Amino acid sequence: QKEVEQNSGPLSVPEGAIASLNCTYSDRGSQSFFWYRQYSGKSPELIMFIYSNGDKEDGRFTAQLNKASQYVSLLIRDSQPSDSATYLCAVTDKLIFGTGTRLQVFP
Amino acid sequence: NAGVTQTPKFQVLKTGQSMTLQCAQDMNHNSMYWYRQDPGMGLRLIYYSASEGTTDKGEVPNGYNVSRLNKREFSLRLESAAPSQTSVYFCASSDGTASNEKLFFGSGTQLSVL
Repeated sequence: QKEVEQNSGPLSVPEGAIASLNCTYSDRGSQSFFWYRQYSGKSPELIMFIYSNGDKEDGRFTAQLNKASQYVSLLIRDSQPSDSATYLCAVTDKLIFGTGTRLQVFP
Repeated sequence: NAGVTQTPKFQVLKTGQSMTLQCAQDMNHNSMYWYRQDPGMGLRLIYYSASEGTTDKGEVPNGYNVSRLNKREFSLRLESAAPSQTSVYFCASSDGTASNEKLFFGSGTQLSVL
């Protein structure tokens, strides 16, 4: 079992819809969780981080953490074509990344 | 501030050649990292340095060596390149506190080993 798992996608959503990206992790002791966005041919950039159970909102982005179920998710509201990228989940106290989910937002 | 600077951006090597990838950060970060990214494999940690003078192996260290030259610079060396080392290499840095590992990435080095 991989330590951090993501569905590779692509996840295709229409413009204006909510995109839901999911990530599961195996180490129950993991403490910090980050979401990075990576455009094709570019380096990853941090968009959200979460440490505590529950939801954390930042603009159109919401990160959700459920430590009991060992999953973390990222919701993107009002998806735009410019959101089309690969989204990497990272369990950063272990310095481990998932393989990423490719999101495609079509007009 | 330039952030994290990597050189070169592109490199083609023949099998058995050696080279060093350079990385420097100007954010006074304690920790620095080298990752490689392959299609379908995500980012995999090669080596990291939690502070000046220390280095530790990551998930895929074989075939690589690193040097934390000072607080700013962290280099990655391939002594005898192999085709399996064809990849995109990213250097990153972070402030380094245990619960605050927000990584700042360089622009990457695309390496091809023929």
